[in-house]
Formats: sequence, structure tokens, C-alpha cells
Amino acid sequence: DTGVSQNPRHKITKRGQNVTFRCDPISEHNRLYWYRQTLGQGPEFLTYFQNEAQLEKSRLLSDRFSAERPKGSFSTLEIQRTEQGDSAMYLCASSLGSGGPSSTDTQYFGPGTRLTVL
Amino acid sequence: KQEVTQIPAALSVPEGENLVLNCSFTDSAIYNLQWFRQDPGKGLTSLLLIQSSQREQTSGRLNASLDKSSGRSTLYIAASQPGDSATYLCAASHAGNMLTFGGGTRLMVKP
Repeated sequence: DTGVSQNPRHKITKRGQNVTFRCDPISEHNRLYWYRQTLGQGPEFLTYFQNEAQLEKSRLLSDRFSAERPKGSFSTLEIQRTEQGDSAMYLCASSLGSGGPSSTDTQYFGPGTRLTVL
Repeated sequence: KQEVTQIPAALSVPEGENLVLNCSFTDSAIYNLQWFRQDPGKGLTSLLLIQSSQREQTSGRLNASLDKSSGRSTLYIAASQPGDSATYLCAASHAGNMLTFGGGTRLMVKP
């Protein structure tokens, strides 16, 4: 399967614990995005990488959220000190950016990681 | 701040009907407008992408239009089938390819 993969698919944790999610983009894609989706809503943009550079992180929901893409391939999203309000689906997408930061390209989404905070 | 709204929130139609899903956005300075499909518990599948300079895009039974000046896009589905049942999301693209999504339209096509 050459699509975007995310692990784990489901995560149940207790309030106050830290969690980390992984996203493996389509292999040749240089751009990677994280979104959060709560029940009945559309996805909400969180952050964006071009290769290993995090170009937009102002939309991360709080300083408990952080993301990395150390070698420009896979990415991790970490949530520290989880709260019940963090329960949601976390979606990763990737794209092949052929131009500058303002160019547009089709984003391909992974299946998501569903987080439940008890 | 861009706001994207989709109407209706839910729609139920008999098989074979043609239908239109609506999407409106408040900031016309977009790079493109995209339509996605989402099946329950799954990720998103891109259906159509309309560049800001284009008026419409077609793929099979799907046709999407874009009117930037009025801040509207529509997704037309011809001859609907039960397999079309899903949530349809529109998203406006900004600098950095950041997508702002609407809340989606949940479509049910009854056999």
C-alpha cells in the first residue's frame, strides 16, 4: 500500500498522560500536514511541514501540542498532559509541492488516529 | 479569518436523483477549492480540486463549480447511487496550502 499510513489507529489514554502519533506520508511527497477532527465537524488545520521544516505551527491548539519531522520523511505529533477535550480524530495528509509555499496541490489523507482520553 | 459553511448539513434522497451540495466561504482570496468524501471512521478522499482561476471541474458523475466573487462552490452529483452515501466536505486553500474545511454534508442515498 503506497498511501499515507498512521499509527496507531486507535489510542485510549488516561487524562494527564502523554501520547505520540506517527504519520508516514506517500514516499515522494515533500509536504506533510496534521489536522484534528471532532465528531460531526470538518477537520481543523494544526501544522504543516515542507521537508523537515515546520512552516506553520501557529494553529497548534496549545503548547501541549508539538510535531516533528526530523528527516523530512515520517512525522510525529505529541500531546502532553492529555485532557478529555483532546479526544478527537487526528488526521495526517501529504502532498507533492511543485512550487513555492504559495503553490497548491492535492492533499492525500491517511485513515487517522482516533484518540480517546478517559 | 476564513469561515466555510456547508448547506445542508444532512440530506437523504432516493437512488437516481440528481443533487447539489452547497459550500460558501467568507474570504475570496483562496488558491483553490477542494471537495472531499469521508466514509464513517475513515480518512478523506479527494474528489475534485478547482484552481482559483477555474470555474468548474468534472469527474465522472461529479461536477464542481466555483464562483470566487460570491464566495460559493457547488458539488453536483448526477444519478446518485447508494454507494455515494458518505459525508462530503469542501475546503478552501490558503497560503501554505492550509485548508479550511466546512462542517460537511452527510448524504444518504436510499435504494
